[in-house]
This record gives sequence, C-alpha cells and structure tokens, in this order.
Amino acid sequence: RKEVEQDPGPFNVPEGATVAFNCTYSNSASQSFFWYRQDCRKEPKLLMSVYSSGNEDGRFTAQLNRASQYISLLIRDSKLSDSATYLCVVNSEGLTGGGNKLTFGTGTQLKVEL
Amino acid sequence: NAGVTQTPKFRILKIGQSMTLQCAQDMNHNYMYWYRQDPGMGLKLIYYSVGAGITDKGEVPNGYNVSRSTTEDFPLRLELAAPSQTSVYFCASSPHPQAHDSPLHFGNGTRLTVT
Repeated sequence: RKEVEQDPGPFNVPEGATVAFNCTYSNSASQSFFWYRQDCRKEPKLLMSVYSSGNEDGRFTAQLNRASQYISLLIRDSKLSDSATYLCVVNSEGLTGGGNKLTFGTGTQLKVEL
Repeated sequence: NAGVTQTPKFRILKIGQSMTLQCAQDMNHNYMYWYRQDPGMGLKLIYYSVGAGITDKGEVPNGYNVSRSTTEDFPLRLELAAPSQTSVYFCASSPHPQAHDSPLHFGNGTRLTVT
C-alpha cells in the first residue's frame, strides 16, 4: 500500500459545482496533514493545513478522519481558477538530521469548466 | 523579497555530464530541501539541510550531492548524469521543521533532461 494515495482524476466539474477529494495515508502515527496546490508546470504551494477538528478557508474545507486514516478537501462554488492539481501531503516522521519527512501524494487533477 | 530562486529553469545534459542546480533563499530559513518530481509520482526527497554546514540524505540520494556552506545557498550536484535523472527538480525552504504554521516555500523548479 502506498504511504499516501490519491485518485489522480481528472475531476471535470462545471463552474459553481462542489467537488471533494479524498486522500488516504498508511502510517497511523502521522502527525500533520496538508493540501498543496500545483498549477501546470509550476511549483507546489500550500493551500491549507488540515487540523483535527476540520478547518475552513473561504470556499475550501479540509477534514481529517484519523480512525479511517484519510483527509478530504471540499471545494464549494468552483471557479475556473481552481483548475489545478491538488497534492495531499502527510508529515509522518522525523528525519534523522532534524526536520520532518513529508510524503507527497501523486495529486488529484481538477478541471473546472464553463 | 525573491523567496526561493532556482537556476537554471531548463537544462539538457548528455549522459555522463555533470552539472550543479543552484538554489538560493533570502528568507533566512534554516531548513532547505531538494525534491524531484517525476510524471505520475509524488515529490521525492533527495537531500535536505537543517542549517549551514549540515546536510543529510533523503529518500533518493543516489547520484546526487549537496553542500550548505551558507544559510542562503543549497546547490545540488549531479556528477555523472543518467537518463533516470530526467525529472523536474524543486528546491524548498522552511523556517522550522514542517508544522502547521511553517509551510514549504518552493522555487520555480528546474526541468532537466538527460539524453
């Protein structure tokens, strides 16, 4: 089983739709969780952290389910500009030299259409 | 404030050639990382550094070397380029170990092709 798994998509949705992505992780000791956004041929950028109680940032809502070991991202009222690849990132263990190991999912592609 | 700057943006190498991918950050971040991203794969950590003078191997260090002589710079060296090193390389930095309030700041990436 992959450490972090995502459905690659693409998810093709009309503008204004609500879309949700899930991401499962295998290491039950994982501590921190994030969603990054990556536009085509660009660098990843942090979209939002995922907190245990769930959190919202405008049209974006992130949830964590530790029992089932998955996180989710909900996008409401999709905009054309939301078209991108969404990377699930899990911080699961410390690196021997310090810092933390981040495991990146392969990403879920979202295409918002007129 | 430039953030994380990577050069070059693109490079084509012949098998066996060497090159250095440059990475510089002006945010005074202690932590710096090199990742590679292959199609259909998640980013993989090559090397990382927790401060000047300290470097450590990540998941896929073979064929690469790094140095961290200053806080700002973290170059990645390919000594004998191989086709398997064809990838997009991202340098990143963060002020603290990854935490909710300490995201990774990525450079624009270097697209490397080895033929």
